[in-house]
Amino acid sequence: GAVVSQHPSWVICKSGTSVKIECRSLDFQATTMFWYRQFPKQSLMLMATSNEGSKATYEQGVEKDKFLINHASLTLSTLTVTSAHPEDSSFYICSARGQPTNYGYTFGSGTRLTVV
Amino acid sequence: SQQGEEDPQALSIQEGENATMNCSYKTSINNLQWYRQNSGRGLVHLILIRSNEREKHSGRLRVTLDTSKKSSSLLITASRAADTASYFCALNNAGNMLTFGGGTRLMVKP
Repeated sequence: GAVVSQHPSWVICKSGTSVKIECRSLDFQATTMFWYRQFPKQSLMLMATSNEGSKATYEQGVEKDKFLINHASLTLSTLTVTSAHPEDSSFYICSARGQPTNYGYTFGSGTRLTVV
Repeated sequence: SQQGEEDPQALSIQEGENATMNCSYKTSINNLQWYRQNSGRGLVHLILIRSNEREKHSGRLRVTLDTSKKSSSLLITASRAADTASYFCALNNAGNMLTFGGGTRLMVKP
């Protein structure tokens, strides 16, 4: 079946630094990647949608300059949290959808970001 | 964007009992999906039910969909302690995006 590998699984960084999270589709071509954010005991909130080779579409209230998304290839998408602050601490999850489409949505295992 | 509303928000039952979670939504959907998430982990896809389907089964899981009432339910029969997790419904709409409900935190006591 389809697998999405997300790294790192957890990261601690200092306030003001940038953190990059990677999601790779291992056995299918991810034409669309979705990035979600989840606060403790809350649901997933869609941050942005990216199609390979195109600029990401951000949801209302999500700062595109702070959360940089790159989807340069059909197997890799990255989310960079720039100038991270403690309020950016959260669980970030990617999801991929691609060819063949019967794979549906496949989720990464998530990244726990803690900004100190 | 539309979001499913789930109830209950939390459910605590004894092992062996059945657990029922409900999801309601407001607009039309292509399909509705149920996911499970263990604490601090990624999501596991459980079942997808299409808008023209009324019921699906997978092992101890039974999902129903009533498009006239815009609601779905997930039933876990003969629950086990290992079923303890958060369960989310996710709506797939015409824009082909997934939007998640608030989730139900299920605790199954041994």
